[in-house]
Amino acid sequence: GENVEQHPSTLSVQEGDSAVIKCTYSDSASNYFPWYKQELGKRPQLIIDIRSNVGEKKDQRIAVTLNKTAKHFSLHITETQPEDSAVYFCAAFSSGRGNTGKLIFGQGTTLQVKP
Amino acid sequence: NAGVTQTPKFQVLKTGQSMTLQCAQDMNHNSMYWYRQDPGMGLRLIYYSASEGTTDKGEVPNGYNVSRLNKREFSLRLESAAPSQTSVYFCASTGIWGGNTIYFGEGSWLTVV
Repeated sequence: GENVEQHPSTLSVQEGDSAVIKCTYSDSASNYFPWYKQELGKRPQLIIDIRSNVGEKKDQRIAVTLNKTAKHFSLHITETQPEDSAVYFCAAFSSGRGNTGKLIFGQGTTLQVKP
Repeated sequence: NAGVTQTPKFQVLKTGQSMTLQCAQDMNHNSMYWYRQDPGMGLRLIYYSASEGTTDKGEVPNGYNVSRLNKREFSLRLESAAPSQTSVYFCASTGIWGGNTIYFGEGSWLTVV
């Protein structure tokens, strides 16, 4: 079945450094790749997404890159701040037959930004 | 505009009891989803409904049933709760398949003792 692998599971950086989280997906038909941030006790919140016809997208300190050939996509956070500390999830939208589809998540990365 | 609303927020069940988690969205979305989240496991898809009248199994459907009552509502039922079903459950919805933003409810914390 469809699968999304995410690495690393935990990441600790100093404030101001960059953080990179990587994901691979198995379904070559996947065409939508969102990233979510989840704070303790709260729902996942979308922070950035990318579609399969785009290789890179940037929004202020956050960027996402996609390599469809390698079935690999990454989240880059620059100039990290303590408030970036949270669990981050990648996901891949996997198409089904007709107008069906499902969003499969990676296992999550706990990011800690040390002041 | 409330977005995605799920109830109850907290529930404690005894092993073998049944219960239904309710989810409703007011965004006129076609697709709805139920996920469970366990520590270190990320979010795993239980069931989803691509459109009114259809439901499909996700990654971990065993022990659950769903009903897409109408376009707004998608319920998740535990017929005979087990301790392994202790988890946080999230309902989500999106407008059309294939790459629209997916919105999550606030979550339901379920403990089975």
